[in-house]
Amino acid sequence: SQTIHQWPATLVQPVGSPLSLECTVEGTSNPNLYWYRQAAGRGLQLLFYSVGIGQISSEVPQNLSASRPQDRQFILSSKKLLLSDSGFYLCAWSNGRDRVAPFGPGTRLLVL
Amino acid sequence: GENVEQHPSTLSVQEGDSAVIKCTYSDSASNYFPWYKQELGKGPQLIIDIRSNVGEKKDQRIAVTLNKTAKHFSLHITETQPEDSAVYFCAASKGKLIFGQGTTLQVKP
Repeated sequence: SQTIHQWPATLVQPVGSPLSLECTVEGTSNPNLYWYRQAAGRGLQLLFYSVGIGQISSEVPQNLSASRPQDRQFILSSKKLLLSDSGFYLCAWSNGRDRVAPFGPGTRLLVL
Repeated sequence: GENVEQHPSTLSVQEGDSAVIKCTYSDSASNYFPWYKQELGKGPQLIIDIRSNVGEKKDQRIAVTLNKTAKHFSLHITETQPEDSAVYFCAASKGKLIFGQGTTLQVKP
């Protein structure tokens, strides 16, 4: 069965500091991978999606970037965090044809 | 791109009553419509989904209907229970999921 991992689970960072969140998927190959952000009390916003190694599509202009160095690894980064980057970051995957599997456990990011 | 509108934003029902949440989408090419339930402090969990070649799907107390012509789909929960209280999200996809804004459902005992 497929499993999706995210870390860290929670993170408190000062404004201007860098960020690196990691997502890995087990039990599947060549998945589509997604990063979503959920601000407090709000819906899920698609940030990035990737259909393969090195292939990243950005959905909204922002302070963040994503990379896919390996087939089942998806990384969300920032060089300098802003207060508005605070939120709940969720990674998800799909096989391109079927349902988007249950999301990863998420990372709660608080920028102070 | 795809845009998904979800209504209502909040819904309060008495235990045992039915709850209906509605979503509309803009891209007629979308072909997959899942519903997620998110409990406090947790990530969304898939509860039911429907594809564009099906008009209705049911799983115990939960059902989803799809009207492709009108580009809307709905979640129906019957015999609601307090544990159904959560935030529910609809989504539409033709490869990437675009979510609605969410509905906070409160089931009063």
